[in-house]
Amino acid sequence: AQKVTQAQTEISVVEKEDVTLDCVYETRDTTYYLFWYKQPPSGELVFLIRRNSFDEQNEISGRYSWNFQKSTSSFNFTITASQVVDSAVYFCALSESGGSNYKLTFGKGTLLTVNP
Amino acid sequence: SAVISQKPSRDICQRGTSLTIQCQVDSQVTMMFWYRQQPGQSLTLIATANQGSEATYESGFVIDKFPISRPNLTFSTLTVSNMSPEDSSIYLCSVSPKLGSSYEQYFGPGTRLTVT
Repeated sequence: AQKVTQAQTEISVVEKEDVTLDCVYETRDTTYYLFWYKQPPSGELVFLIRRNSFDEQNEISGRYSWNFQKSTSSFNFTITASQVVDSAVYFCALSESGGSNYKLTFGKGTLLTVNP
Repeated sequence: SAVISQKPSRDICQRGTSLTIQCQVDSQVTMMFWYRQQPGQSLTLIATANQGSEATYESGFVIDKFPISRPNLTFSTLTVSNMSPEDSSIYLCSVSPKLGSSYEQYFGPGTRLTVT
Protein backbone atom coordinates (compact mmCIF):
# COMPACT_ATOMS: atom_id res chain seq x y z
CA ALA A 1 0.00 0.00 0.00
CA GLN A 2 1.16 3.50 -0.69
CA LYS A 3 1.94 5.92 2.10
CA VAL A 4 3.08 9.53 2.41
CA THR A 5 4.75 10.88 5.53
CA GLN A 6 5.17 14.54 6.33
CA ALA A 7 6.98 14.45 9.63
CA GLN A 8 6.79 18.19 10.24
CA THR A 9 3.39 19.03 11.64
CA GLU A 10 4.03 22.75 12.03
CA ILE A 11 6.82 25.11 11.01
CA SER A 12 7.14 28.75 11.94
CA VAL A 13 9.60 31.09 10.26
CA VAL A 14 10.24 34.78 9.94
CA GLU A 15 9.71 36.45 6.61
CA LYS A 16 12.63 36.13 4.15
CA GLU A 17 13.88 32.93 5.73
CA ASP A 18 14.23 29.84 3.56
CA VAL A 19 12.16 26.86 4.63
CA THR A 20 12.11 23.21 3.52
CA LEU A 21 9.08 20.97 3.88
CA ASP A 22 9.88 17.28 3.98
CA CYS A 23 7.97 14.49 2.27
CA VAL A 24 8.81 10.78 2.36
CA TYR A 25 6.77 8.25 0.45
CA GLU A 26 6.33 4.49 0.19
CA THR A 27 5.15 2.61 -2.86
CA ARG A 28 5.67 -0.75 -4.51
CA ASP A 29 5.12 0.64 -7.98
CA THR A 30 7.99 1.62 -10.25
CA THR A 31 5.80 4.20 -11.97
CA TYR A 32 4.16 6.79 -9.78
CA TYR A 33 3.50 10.49 -9.47
CA LEU A 34 4.22 12.90 -6.66
CA PHE A 35 2.39 16.14 -5.99
CA TRP A 36 2.50 19.16 -3.76
CA TYR A 37 -0.61 21.18 -2.94
CA LYS A 38 -1.07 24.37 -0.96
CA GLN A 39 -4.15 24.96 1.18
CA PRO A 40 -4.37 28.57 2.38
CA PRO A 41 -6.77 29.57 5.16
CA SER A 42 -9.54 30.00 2.59
CA GLY A 43 -9.54 26.20 2.27
CA GLU A 44 -9.09 25.84 -1.46
CA LEU A 45 -6.48 23.30 -2.55
CA VAL A 46 -3.98 24.79 -4.97
CA PHE A 47 -1.94 22.53 -7.25
CA LEU A 48 1.79 23.36 -7.14
CA ILE A 49 3.66 20.60 -8.91
CA ARG A 50 3.49 17.08 -10.30
CA ARG A 51 6.57 14.92 -10.75
CA ASN A 52 6.71 11.44 -12.27
CA SER A 53 8.99 8.73 -10.95
CA PHE A 54 11.19 8.69 -14.04
CA ASP A 55 12.13 12.32 -13.81
CA GLU A 56 14.52 13.01 -10.98
CA GLN A 57 15.51 16.44 -12.14
CA ASN A 58 15.03 19.09 -9.54
CA GLU A 59 12.61 21.83 -10.45
CA ILE A 60 12.56 25.51 -9.68
CA SER A 61 9.63 27.84 -10.11
CA GLY A 62 10.28 31.31 -8.82
CA ARG A 63 10.83 31.06 -5.08
CA TYR A 64 9.74 27.42 -5.05
CA SER A 65 12.00 24.45 -5.66
CA TRP A 66 11.58 20.72 -5.35
CA ASN A 67 14.18 18.05 -4.66
CA PHE A 68 13.17 14.55 -5.75
CA GLN A 69 15.45 11.71 -4.61
CA LYS A 70 14.33 8.18 -5.39
CA SER A 71 17.21 6.71 -3.37
CA THR A 72 15.68 8.08 -0.19
CA SER A 73 12.06 8.13 -1.40
CA SER A 74 11.83 11.81 -0.69
CA PHE A 75 10.27 14.75 -2.48
CA ASN A 76 11.11 17.85 -0.49
CA PHE A 77 9.82 21.35 -1.12
CA THR A 78 11.81 24.51 -0.43
CA ILE A 79 10.49 28.04 -0.32
CA THR A 80 13.21 30.65 -0.67
CA ALA A 81 12.82 34.07 0.93
CA SER A 82 9.48 33.17 2.45
CA GLN A 83 6.63 35.66 2.54
CA VAL A 84 3.60 36.04 4.76
CA VAL A 85 1.39 34.94 1.84
CA ASP A 86 3.15 31.58 1.91
CA SER A 87 1.40 30.81 5.19
CA ALA A 88 -0.74 27.74 4.53
CA VAL A 89 -0.96 24.01 4.99
CA TYR A 90 1.12 22.17 2.43
CA PHE A 91 0.27 18.62 1.39
CA CYS A 92 2.44 16.11 -0.36
CA ALA A 93 0.57 13.40 -2.26
CA LEU A 94 1.30 10.21 -4.20
CA SER A 95 -0.53 8.60 -7.09
CA GLU A 96 0.41 5.14 -8.26
CA SER A 97 0.09 4.28 -11.91
CA GLY A 98 -1.47 1.13 -13.19
CA GLY A 99 -4.59 1.11 -15.32
CA SER A 100 -6.65 4.18 -14.66
CA ASN A 101 -5.68 4.59 -11.05
CA TYR A 102 -5.39 8.32 -10.57
CA LYS A 103 -6.35 8.46 -6.92
CA LEU A 104 -4.16 10.40 -4.54
CA THR A 105 -2.84 9.42 -1.14
CA PHE A 106 -2.08 12.49 0.93
CA GLY A 107 0.33 13.11 3.75
CA LYS A 108 -1.01 14.71 6.92
CA GLY A 109 0.18 18.13 5.85
CA THR A 110 2.59 20.71 7.25
CA LEU A 111 1.27 23.99 8.60
CA LEU A 112 3.66 26.74 7.61
CA THR A 113 3.39 30.08 9.37
CA VAL A 114 5.47 32.94 8.05
CA ASN A 115 5.66 35.80 10.50
CA PRO A 116 6.39 39.38 9.44
CA SER B 1 -6.37 23.55 -15.72
CA ALA B 2 -10.07 22.89 -15.32
CA VAL B 3 -12.47 25.27 -13.58
CA ILE B 4 -14.42 23.43 -10.93
CA SER B 5 -17.39 24.69 -8.96
CA GLN B 6 -19.17 23.13 -6.04
CA LYS B 7 -22.56 23.81 -4.54
CA PRO B 8 -23.25 24.56 -1.79
CA SER B 9 -20.07 26.18 -0.56
CA ARG B 10 -21.12 25.55 3.03
CA ASP B 11 -24.12 24.28 4.96
CA ILE B 12 -25.25 23.59 8.48
CA CYS B 13 -27.46 20.53 8.74
CA GLN B 14 -29.28 18.66 11.44
CA ARG B 15 -28.38 15.13 12.28
CA GLY B 16 -30.42 12.49 10.52
CA THR B 17 -30.87 14.56 7.37
CA SER B 18 -29.10 14.25 4.02
CA LEU B 19 -27.22 16.75 1.87
CA THR B 20 -26.38 16.52 -1.80
CA ILE B 21 -23.25 18.30 -3.01
CA GLN B 22 -22.84 19.16 -6.67
CA CYS B 23 -19.61 19.35 -8.63
CA GLN B 24 -19.51 21.00 -12.06
CA VAL B 25 -16.48 21.15 -14.37
CA ASP B 26 -16.06 23.46 -17.34
CA SER B 27 -14.67 20.70 -19.58
CA GLN B 28 -15.13 17.00 -20.08
CA VAL B 29 -13.01 14.88 -17.77
CA THR B 30 -12.59 11.15 -17.48
CA MET B 31 -11.93 10.91 -13.79
CA MET B 32 -13.77 12.61 -10.96
CA PHE B 33 -13.13 11.95 -7.32
CA TRP B 34 -14.68 12.84 -4.00
CA TYR B 35 -12.51 13.49 -0.96
CA ARG B 36 -13.27 14.25 2.65
CA GLN B 37 -11.18 16.47 4.91
CA GLN B 38 -12.15 16.26 8.54
CA PRO B 39 -11.28 19.25 10.76
CA GLY B 40 -7.54 19.68 11.04
CA GLN B 41 -6.89 16.52 9.08
CA SER B 42 -5.60 15.48 5.69
CA LEU B 43 -7.69 14.49 2.71
CA THR B 44 -9.12 11.01 2.38
CA LEU B 45 -10.53 9.62 -0.83
CA ILE B 46 -14.17 8.59 -0.54
CA ALA B 47 -14.77 7.25 -4.03
CA THR B 48 -14.09 7.53 -7.73
CA ALA B 49 -17.13 8.72 -9.66
CA ASN B 50 -17.39 6.68 -12.85
CA GLN B 51 -19.44 7.98 -15.74
CA GLY B 52 -22.11 5.51 -16.73
CA SER B 53 -21.40 3.03 -13.97
CA GLU B 54 -21.42 2.71 -10.21
CA ALA B 55 -18.86 4.63 -8.19
CA THR B 56 -15.82 2.82 -6.80
CA TYR B 57 -15.63 3.25 -3.03
CA GLU B 58 -12.56 3.18 -0.84
CA SER B 59 -12.29 1.07 2.26
CA GLY B 60 -14.43 2.49 5.03
CA PHE B 61 -16.91 4.23 2.73
CA VAL B 62 -20.15 2.67 1.50
CA ILE B 63 -22.71 3.54 -1.11
CA ASP B 64 -25.61 3.69 1.33
CA LYS B 65 -23.90 6.45 3.28
CA PHE B 66 -22.31 8.32 0.34
CA PRO B 67 -24.32 7.70 -2.83
CA ILE B 68 -22.69 9.24 -5.89
CA SER B 69 -24.04 10.07 -9.31
CA ARG B 70 -22.07 10.81 -12.49
CA PRO B 71 -24.56 11.38 -15.30
CA ASN B 72 -22.02 12.86 -17.73
CA LEU B 73 -18.38 13.89 -18.12
CA THR B 74 -18.78 17.33 -16.52
CA PHE B 75 -20.99 16.74 -13.48
CA SER B 76 -21.20 14.63 -10.35
CA THR B 77 -23.05 14.66 -7.05
CA LEU B 78 -22.17 13.28 -3.65
CA THR B 79 -24.88 12.76 -1.05
CA VAL B 80 -24.05 12.53 2.63
CA SER B 81 -26.91 10.47 4.07
CA ASN B 82 -28.33 10.23 7.56
CA MET B 83 -25.78 12.70 8.83
CA SER B 84 -24.18 12.72 12.25
CA PRO B 85 -21.78 15.26 13.79
CA GLU B 86 -18.88 13.01 12.73
CA ASP B 87 -19.72 13.88 9.12
CA SER B 88 -18.74 17.50 9.72
CA SER B 89 -15.97 17.99 7.19
CA ILE B 90 -14.95 19.71 4.01
CA TYR B 91 -15.99 17.66 1.00
CA LEU B 92 -13.98 18.24 -2.15
CA CYS B 93 -14.37 17.00 -5.66
CA SER B 94 -11.37 16.71 -7.91
CA VAL B 95 -10.87 16.04 -11.58
CA SER B 96 -8.19 14.83 -13.95
CA PRO B 97 -8.54 17.40 -16.72
CA LYS B 98 -7.10 15.51 -19.66
CA LEU B 99 -8.77 12.40 -20.99
CA GLY B 100 -6.57 9.49 -20.04
CA SER B 101 -3.25 11.23 -20.55
CA SER B 102 -2.36 13.08 -17.40
CA TYR B 103 -2.12 12.60 -13.68
CA GLU B 104 -2.70 16.21 -12.80
CA GLN B 105 -5.54 16.60 -10.41
CA TYR B 106 -7.33 19.82 -9.61
CA PHE B 107 -9.69 20.41 -6.76
CA GLY B 108 -12.91 22.29 -6.37
CA PRO B 109 -13.28 24.94 -3.67
CA GLY B 110 -14.89 22.46 -1.29
CA THR B 111 -18.15 22.27 0.64
CA ARG B 112 -17.90 22.97 4.36
CA LEU B 113 -20.46 20.84 6.13
CA THR B 114 -21.37 21.23 9.78
CA VAL B 115 -23.76 18.75 11.34
CA THR B 116 -25.44 19.73 14.57
